Amino acid sequence: GQQLNQSPQSMFIQEGEDVSMNCTSSSIFNTWLWYKQDPGEGPVLLIALYKAGELTSNGRLTAQFGITRKDSFLNISASIPSDVGIYFCAGQLGAGKSTFGDGTTLTVKP
Amino acid sequence: NAGVMQNPRHLVRRRGQEARLRCSPMKGHSHVYWYRQLPEEGLKFMVYLQKENIIDESGMPKERFSAEFPKEGPSILRIQQVVRGDSAAYFCASSPPTGWNTEAFFGQGTRLTVV
Repeated sequence: GQQLNQSPQSMFIQEGEDVSMNCTSSSIFNTWLWYKQDPGEGPVLLIALYKAGELTSNGRLTAQFGITRKDSFLNISASIPSDVGIYFCAGQLGAGKSTFGDGTTLTVKP
Repeated sequence: NAGVMQNPRHLVRRRGQEARLRCSPMKGHSHVYWYRQLPEEGLKFMVYLQKENIIDESGMPKERFSAEFPKEGPSILRIQQVVRGDSAAYFCASSPPTGWNTEAFFGQGTRLTVV
């Protein structure tokens, strides 16, 4: 089946720094999604990308759908303590069913 | 507009018992997905359902697991004769009908512990 490689696995940064994480796949996706999961909660959708090359922002978050349709990145600018959590990328080929990466755990030091 | 509702939030079962997990999708959503998450891992797709139909069950174990989404009422994920390896967080997601943006919204999950 399809697999996503998400990196880095974890990040420890200082408050105010920028963050970048990415996902790569051996096969193409039609939609890329980025989620954040807090402990004990379900994933919350941050950004959805629908077209190759698309660059979308949501506040301090920016994500891009790679031209090859096999990768995506998420940037967080000027990190704050509440950015702490696990970030997941997910790719969709057909309607709704998603393949998830294993997550990037973000720790922000005040 | 209530989100995806899952219950119970926590479920403890002894080995050999049955576990029933419930999911009510968001209003207007007709597609339901179930995922399983083991500690420190990503979510793994299990099954995709529409009302009264299983569309894709490629991620479901062949035995003991079943899912339904009846015409009325919530979607149910049923695990028979649970074993310790079934302990995980089970998440339900829902999305609008085909043709709309297909991103799925998740519930808070049911954490199953098999003792």
